[in-house]
Amino acid sequence: GAGVSQTPSNKVTEKGKYVELRCDPISGHTALYWYRQSLGQGPEFLIYFQGTGAADDSGLPNDRFFAVRPEGSVSTLKIQRTERGDSAVYLCASSLTGAGTDTQYFGPGTRLTVL
Amino acid sequence: GQSLEQPSEVTAVEGAIVQINCTYQTSGFYGLSWYQQHDGGAPTFLSYNGLDGLEETGRFSSFLSRSDSYGYLLLQELQMKDSASYFCAVRDSRANYQLIWGAGTKLIIKP
Repeated sequence: GAGVSQTPSNKVTEKGKYVELRCDPISGHTALYWYRQSLGQGPEFLIYFQGTGAADDSGLPNDRFFAVRPEGSVSTLKIQRTERGDSAVYLCASSLTGAGTDTQYFGPGTRLTVL
Repeated sequence: GQSLEQPSEVTAVEGAIVQINCTYQTSGFYGLSWYQQHDGGAPTFLSYNGLDGLEETGRFSSFLSRSDSYGYLLLQELQMKDSASYFCAVRDSRANYQLIWGAGTKLIIKP
């Protein structure tokens, strides 16, 4: 596609529920990143994929968070037993190779609200 | 630790010039990027400085001094549509070139 797309744009769920957030990167981009952004803050790194594998998952806050990218394109961020503190905008970005000089292109984000 | 400091808010007048400063402290510096984000929108890439000096792209310029761990974004001929938050972000070479972000500067433009 022309840019990074994310679905859904908004997700409201109840505490304790399971959610999946989807990211469709720019075609041909091997690197994919998930970030989380709280109001008034910069994005916070969660996980980085190079192809199908998670090259760096050091930003995942705990084991309730998990992400996959089985075919090296679309990625899904999965959150189990959601908590109110998980409420944030979840951003996905992709870049061509993941090299240091590559630009990361961001999707519009999924606004997650946990009631 | 790693940290970036930038002003939380800057106000300027339409047609004027504004400079947004960013200082950083990071273990594996590999360049400074600037992103623009309108309310409710995605961060949009503006510029990247890998080496010291000035990079110019239209009305926007960005500067880096690695020895001072300092950079700035310069916006000229301000337009109302430039009202947004501006983030500096450092690429961390010791962490897969992750972007480490500042908290953002909200630019308010008055007519």
